[in-house]
Amino acid sequence: GAGVSQSPSNKVTEKGKDVELRCDPISGHTALYWYRQSLGQGLEFLIYFQGNSAPDKSGLPSDRFSAERTGGSVSTLTIQRTQQEDSAVYLCASSSPGTGGTNQPQHFGDGTRLSIL
Amino acid sequence: GDSVTQMEGPVTLSEEAFLTINCTYTATGYPSLFWYVQYPGEGLQLLLKATKADDKGSNKGFEATYRKETTSFHLEKGSVQVSDSAVYFCALSDLGSARQLTFGSGTQLTVLP
Repeated sequence: GAGVSQSPSNKVTEKGKDVELRCDPISGHTALYWYRQSLGQGLEFLIYFQGNSAPDKSGLPSDRFSAERTGGSVSTLTIQRTQQEDSAVYLCASSSPGTGGTNQPQHFGDGTRLSIL
Repeated sequence: GDSVTQMEGPVTLSEEAFLTINCTYTATGYPSLFWYVQYPGEGLQLLLKATKADDKGSNKGFEATYRKETTSFHLEKGSVQVSDSAVYFCALSDLGSARQLTFGSGTQLTVLP
């Protein structure tokens, strides 16, 4: 597709269940990012992939959160044993390689709205 | 660490009014600066960017100038329209931070006809 695609668009699950969120970046974009948007916390960085490796996992809030990327394309964010505070919109973004030290703008998907009951 | 401080909202203006949304930043390196916009029910969209001091980003009548001396990147538009109603986010990307975006808290703008 033309843009970053995320699925599902909405997910409602019970506390304690595991959830898996998917991101399909723009074709050719080597960098992929996960963010979380929640009331009171704004937009928070979670993890960054360059190709299939994740040089920066500093934003993951706990060891219940993990992410992987395969084939330099699709990424999944997994939250184990979900808690109510995990309720948020999870956003994925991708960007193309920069040159000369500049940062290429990130293009965002529409997000997955996660609600933990 | 890096941070972005953004003018708190909500901001309500009449159509054709002048808009300023203030944004200041703190960064350890030489960041690129961005404004993103989120229209109701939609995802984040890049509005404009500036990658070095004194650069001016512009798009859809919006402008912002990268001011290194005041560490600011204020968003301006001379005449807002109802269709500009959205949440505006100032953000920076520091090369030393693996290029992740650090966002401000967002400013809700409502333009009344």
